[in-house]
Amino acid sequence: NAGVTQTPKFQVLKTGQSMTLQCAQDMNHEYMSWYRQDPGMGLRLIHYSVGAGITDQGEVPNGYNVSRSTTEDFPLRLLSAAPSQTSVYFCASSYTSGTAWPQHFGDGTRLSIL
Amino acid sequence: ILNVEQSPQSLHVQEGDSTNFTCSFPSSNFYALHWYRWETAKSPEALFVMTLNGDEKKKGRISATLNTKEGYSYLYIKGSQPEDSATYLCAPEGGSEKLVFGKGTKLTVNP
Repeated sequence: NAGVTQTPKFQVLKTGQSMTLQCAQDMNHEYMSWYRQDPGMGLRLIHYSVGAGITDQGEVPNGYNVSRSTTEDFPLRLLSAAPSQTSVYFCASSYTSGTAWPQHFGDGTRLSIL
Repeated sequence: ILNVEQSPQSLHVQEGDSTNFTCSFPSSNFYALHWYRWETAKSPEALFVMTLNGDEKKKGRISATLNTKEGYSYLYIKGSQPEDSATYLCAPEGGSEKLVFGKGTKLTVNP
């Protein structure tokens, strides 16, 4: 069982470059979300989606775009990378009938912006 | 945006000690409270979800309680073992299914 798959696992970008972090789940989960993890800050919600075609902003959405064209995929786009976006990014999903419980997390993508 | 506080930030205990930590959150617009366990170099794993005031959940030596009126939850670990070493995260969920995680309590259990 694949669960939640994130690609790539590591990436180094230069300031101003664009990139898409991929997230796919094979559990037919409706709810998908993106978090970033920074030292001393815990997990902060970037964007989330409660179903295909529906997305909403989290705590720290600026600089990131998302779309949800299928149930399985929820890519996160950085249009113009900035050093402040250096972080570890986690994608998570859950089967929802009105709740985000429980979140199944991917293994993370470590992103460095130079 | 919910203001979620977890205390203490870190905790060192000896094997066999029992311990507890706190998650505080605004009591308004509350739907559920999640607890997750996050081991170093791994991904967070779901522990408990609680929705009703007075809820108690237990999983082995770990248990949790919920007070929605005053906005707090306690996580207890009885007889801590080195394998309990992890960061424990809480996340209140509002009606919009939006989760806001606390910064976590990092537990280290020394053998």
